[in-house]
Amino acid sequence: DAKTTQPPSMDCAEGRAANLPCNHSTISGNEYVYWYRQIHSQGPQYIIHGLKNNETNEMASLIITEDRKSSTLILPHATLRDTAVYYCIVRARRSNTGKLIFGQGTTLQVKP
Amino acid sequence: DGGITQSPKYLFRKEGQNVTLSCEQNLNHDAMYWYRQDPGQGLRLIYYSQIVNDFQKGDIAEGYSVSREKKESFPLTVTSAQKNPTAFYLCASNMNEKLFFGSGTQLSVL
Repeated sequence: DAKTTQPPSMDCAEGRAANLPCNHSTISGNEYVYWYRQIHSQGPQYIIHGLKNNETNEMASLIITEDRKSSTLILPHATLRDTAVYYCIVRARRSNTGKLIFGQGTTLQVKP
Repeated sequence: DGGITQSPKYLFRKEGQNVTLSCEQNLNHDAMYWYRQDPGQGLRLIYYSQIVNDFQKGDIAEGYSVSREKKESFPLTVTSAQKNPTAFYLCASNMNEKLFFGSGTQLSVL
């Protein structure tokens, strides 16, 4: 599975959009981009995933560049409860293992 | 409620002691996983099981053992051979390529 690079930390004002970048320059054609987040002392929570098209669900939007070498997770109206570590992961669908390489992620601090 | 239940939330191990962490799911998922997380670090895969009565080693299986006798249960034993067991342990199951995690067990050494 390809490696990802994320900034270690970001701040965002409450009510504003939070844009979390991720670089995955070695992504291969069959690998999807997944985003999870982990609130302190809890298990990670799935947010969204995509292959090459932009995706949106009730939690967030995922924008993937045309060359697929980077992506951005967008939380449109960040709240204090969105303060967490956000992990960007690339992984082939139907991988035979649960070997998600989480890395250290981006710690998002939403401030009042 | 459907989900992954891990117990206990906090566990203390004495030197030379084996301890078992419980993971139960009622999601009817075939695949289950155990991860270890150290402070400020990402998750590392210990063991995984794709189906009942079968399991595979992950990246850091030494000092750990698992069983998968029932679909709903995937307990992890931290043996005395694991010399640095203090960590946050997470159990997960997989459905449609999404991982669902339990709330974790914090294991510490006395």
